Amino acid sequence: AQKITQTQPGMFVQEKEAVTLDCTYDTSDPSYGLFWYKQPSSGEMIFLIYQGSYDQQNATEGRYSLNFQKARKSANLVISASQLGDSAMYFCAMIGQAGTALIFGKGTTLSVSS
Amino acid sequence: GAVVSQHPSWVICKSGTSVKIECRSLDFQATTMFWYRQFPKQSLMLMATSNEGSKATYEQGVEKDKFLINHASLTLSTLTVTSAHPEDSSFYICSARDTSGANPSTDTQYFGPGTRLTVL
Repeated sequence: AQKITQTQPGMFVQEKEAVTLDCTYDTSDPSYGLFWYKQPSSGEMIFLIYQGSYDQQNATEGRYSLNFQKARKSANLVISASQLGDSAMYFCAMIGQAGTALIFGKGTTLSVSS
Repeated sequence: GAVVSQHPSWVICKSGTSVKIECRSLDFQATTMFWYRQFPKQSLMLMATSNEGSKATYEQGVEKDKFLINHASLTLSTLTVTSAHPEDSSFYICSARDTSGANPSTDTQYFGPGTRLTVL
């Protein structure tokens, strides 16, 4: 069975600082994908970044980067230069080889202050 | 990017009534759509997988007779909450898979904006 673990219920950071949101996963699939989504108070799910299990390099998308450590089964999200608009709930998710539904972690609420 | 719409975006209904929520993929065909439920400050919990032209697959603990899912076309899946009660009040989100890629692990899933259901 697949499982995503996010151990930080809430994180606080000041504007312009970097922040790391933790995510560990467990799966028996040899091929899988890892995702991070942002969910603001409006409820929409905003795709941030994707990492494939066979990707050699860590994924980056603008201010977002994914620190993928396959041996440790971790896929932490790093947000550089935090902005007030980054305040939201962040979910780590996984999809397995069968291409079924995304499995989500419990989420981390990020609060950015000025 | 691809767009998935949901209608309505919010609905308030009386206890005992049925509510239908639509999920549409606007610019791609989605043979598979997923329905999630989210309570405040909690994660998205998968309710069911909706497959075009066949019966939905429900997750354990989800009542299939209460949450009716129909996926009649490649762009539309509907979730009907039958005889809704206050405990059914929640945020319902659908997602649709764009299966145009060769690797299922990289299939992109696009989320609808969600439907907030309040049952009085």
